[in-house]
Amino acid sequence: EPEVTQTPSHQVTQMGQEVILRCVPISNHLYFYWYRQILGQKVEFLVSFYNNEISEKSEIFDDQFSVERPDGSNFTLKIRSTKLEDSAMYFCASSEPPGPGEQYFGPGTRLTVT
Amino acid sequence: AQSVTQPDIHITVSEGASLELRCNYSYGATPYLFWYVQSPGQGLQLLLKYFSGDTLVQGIKGFEAEFKRSQSSFNLRKPSVHWSDAAEYFCAVGAAGGATNKLIFGTGTLLAVQP
Repeated sequence: EPEVTQTPSHQVTQMGQEVILRCVPISNHLYFYWYRQILGQKVEFLVSFYNNEISEKSEIFDDQFSVERPDGSNFTLKIRSTKLEDSAMYFCASSEPPGPGEQYFGPGTRLTVT
Repeated sequence: AQSVTQPDIHITVSEGASLELRCNYSYGATPYLFWYVQSPGQGLQLLLKYFSGDTLVQGIKGFEAEFKRSQSSFNLRKPSVHWSDAAEYFCAVGAAGGATNKLIFGTGTLLAVQP
């Protein structure tokens, strides 16, 4: 069964450093998403992406964040200058139709900022 | 404001017992409703979804959920829990009609299963 994959599974970085989280969505999906979950809190929407551009973003997704689909398979989330409060589990998801119809989630990347 | 509430943070049930996990939502538009499960080290797996029609929906692994518009609820049930059901369960809501792509999640309910 096709699945969304994410790398790395765990990343530790120092405050102020740039990090890139990588995702490989399901191959025939056209819509891509990032969510995050701070420990003990809700899973929160960050951004959705379609046709090589952001279709929607939350207030969390400020100028420190960016997304990119650098090739036909990867979808990345970049945090330009990490803060302690960026420590969280980051989930990538993809869907074939638009909207929340059925989003398939990856296993997540745990980001720890020290 | 749009929100999802899962009032039970942690539930413990005995294997073979029935299970009900509660979910209430507040959403201005017609909702799409989902239950996801997350096992340790795994991603969020979709258990079931409600878009329209029959308010009792069946999902994978023997789970079902009932949409009650009057109570703004979408509770998850299973008649007989197995030890492998121990995981964290998330209720989520999305907008019908594609007005927005995002899912809004509850805080999750951690299910422990006693032998």
